[in-house]
Amino acid sequence: AQKVTQAQTEISVVEKEDVTLDCVYETRDTTYYLFWYKQPPSGELVFLIRRNSFDEQNEISGRYSWNFQKSTSSFNFTITASQVVDSAVYFCALNNAGNMLTFGGGTRLMVKP
Amino acid sequence: GAVVSQHPSRVICKSGTSVKIECRSLDFQATTMFWYRQFPKKSLMLMATSNEGSKATYEQGVEKDKFLINHASLTLSTLTVTSAHPEDSSFYICSARPLAAYYNEQFFGPGTRLTVL
Repeated sequence: AQKVTQAQTEISVVEKEDVTLDCVYETRDTTYYLFWYKQPPSGELVFLIRRNSFDEQNEISGRYSWNFQKSTSSFNFTITASQVVDSAVYFCALNNAGNMLTFGGGTRLMVKP
Repeated sequence: GAVVSQHPSRVICKSGTSVKIECRSLDFQATTMFWYRQFPKKSLMLMATSNEGSKATYEQGVEKDKFLINHASLTLSTLTVTSAHPEDSSFYICSARPLAAYYNEQFFGPGTRLTVL
C-alpha cells in the first residue's frame, strides 16, 4: 500500500513571504514517481512537477523549488516571495509502477496582500 | 498537447435523475482513464479505473451499479450517476493516461461539479 501525507492542512502567509509545503510518502516500490499539483478555486488541477525515484536532484523553476529526500521519504515544495495568485490548494501525489496515483490530503495556501 | 476535456462543467439535477459526464482526450489516445471524486475541502479519491473495451475496475466502497462507467473508445469515457441523490453532489474529475505514457503520466480534465437537489 502507498500513502501520502501532507501534515499542513492550511497555511496562511503574507505576500512576499517564503512558504514550504511538506509532503511525506510511503511506498514499498523502488520505482515510483512523485508529483505536485495546484488546484485553484476553479477546481482544475494544474501540474507543477514530476520527479522519479532515481532522481534526487532538487529543482528550481522560477519562484518554485522542490526538495526530494529519499532518506526521509519527503518531497517538499517551497514558494519563494509568495504572491496572492499562489493562493490555492496544493496536492502532493505518488504513482508507483502500476496505475495507482495516490493523493495527499492537500494543503490550502492563503497568501494575503 | 495532452488536453482532456469534461462535459458538462457544471450540472444541477433533481433527485432521482441520472446524469452522464463525458471525459475526452482531445489530442491523444488513452487506453486507461480514471475517475476521481472530490468532496469540498477534501482530497481526490479514485473511484474507478476504466480500460478501453473492458469493464471498469472500481475501488472498494464505490457502487458499480450507481456509478456506471463506459470506455467505448480510446478517446472517450463516460460516468453515469444513476438515480442521483443529494449525497452524490460532488466534484468529479477524470484523467487519461496516453498509450505511450512514459512516466505513468495522467492528464486531468477540468472537472464536473454535480449538484443534486
